[in-house]
Order: sequence, then structure tokens, then C-alpha cells
Amino acid sequence: DQQVKQNSPSLSVQEGRISILNCDYTNSMFDYFLWYKKYPAEGPTFLISISSIKDKNEDGRFTVFLNKSAKHLSLHIVPSQPGDSAVYFCAASVGGNNRLAFGKGNQVVVIP
Amino acid sequence: DTGVSQDPRHKITKRGQNVTFRCDPISEHNRLYWYRQTLGQGPEFLTYFQNEAQLEKSRLLSDRFSAERPKGSFSTLEIQRTEQGDSAMYLCASVMALYNEQFFGPGTRLTVL
Repeated sequence: DQQVKQNSPSLSVQEGRISILNCDYTNSMFDYFLWYKKYPAEGPTFLISISSIKDKNEDGRFTVFLNKSAKHLSLHIVPSQPGDSAVYFCAASVGGNNRLAFGKGNQVVVIP
Repeated sequence: DTGVSQDPRHKITKRGQNVTFRCDPISEHNRLYWYRQTLGQGPEFLTYFQNEAQLEKSRLLSDRFSAERPKGSFSTLEIQRTEQGDSAMYLCASVMALYNEQFFGPGTRLTVL
């Protein structure tokens, strides 16, 4: 059963515009959420995270929003840059520092 | 380079052969995780260690799979009698106690012919 879901598998965005990636989860026990970026032939790279006690976390161009009542989180990248072209995975865990449940990923293409 | 390393990066084997992968975590990280990723899917949890103790195994981990972390440092993942369905990217990640962000290695791409 897919506990973390990422719809809209691919996204194309113009350089300088905002990229918005969405993620939904079904397990109400999840209390820590992470976003990873993955380039081909490399392992996932940690991007940003958020604890369930917060509803927003910002790090430079990346902001993650968490809506616990809707079991939904989103990643905003602004402004988008060509180097952001990659697959983005949403992940969640129970209790932090524990096994991660991943979504299927979103392919982002930033057009120069 | 002080990141997570995995060896080999690629492995091609024939069905029925045994294969072993190695993961070297970041040195001060006490937890080590193994995941498997197939095409079009996100990584799926297989097993994890805290120091040398294997604390959890996924039901995905059949009895043909075994993992060890003998001295609480590097880890090995062995697959016996490989099947074509074992073809995947095998990822290792490590994390320091009290932190939440797992750091991944580059993965080992397994192809079973």
C-alpha cells in the first residue's frame, strides 16, 4: 500500500518561475517529512524537512508547507533554476530517525 | 570524501548466482539503512541497523536476502540465488543519532539476466 503519494509525475517550468510539488500521505502516525532530490545515476540528496509540529519550513529557495488536517505537504522552489531539473521524492517517517516511506517521485524540468 | 559510499556501483549477474554489496556509512553515523528502488518507484525500505544490531526487516526482505553490520561500521547485503525480479537499484543511507535526515550513497545497480 502506497502511504505516500505524489501525483502529476512530471512538471515543466520556466527558469525564474515557481515550481510547486505536492505530496499526500495516508498514515496519520507520520510526524516527520522530508524532500529529496535525485539526479540520474546518483543517490537521493536531502533537500529540506519539516516536523509535524510546524506548518512551514524555509531554506533559501526551498519552502515546505505542511497541512496536517489534509495530510498534505508541498514543496515550493522559487526561483527555479536549470540545475533544479531532477526527480523529487517526498518521504515520511514515524518518530524521526526511522525508516522512510517514499512517494514515486516527480520529474521536474526547468526550461532556460 | 566523507559521504556514504557503496561498492560496486554496477553488478550484472546471471539468475541463480549470489551477489554481495557493501556500504560504508558516514563514520559517526550509528544508524544504517538499506532501500531498494525499481524503475518508476520511490525507494522501498528493506532493513536497518543501529550500530551492529539489525533492528527491523521489511517483509520485502525474503529469506534469500541477508544483511550484516559486524562491527557497527560498514554493512553488507547479500542476495542468494538471484532472480530477475531482484534487478533494482540498492541504496544505502546513514544517519546520526538524534538527527532525522538520512544521507544516501550512490547506490548499486543490480541487473539479473
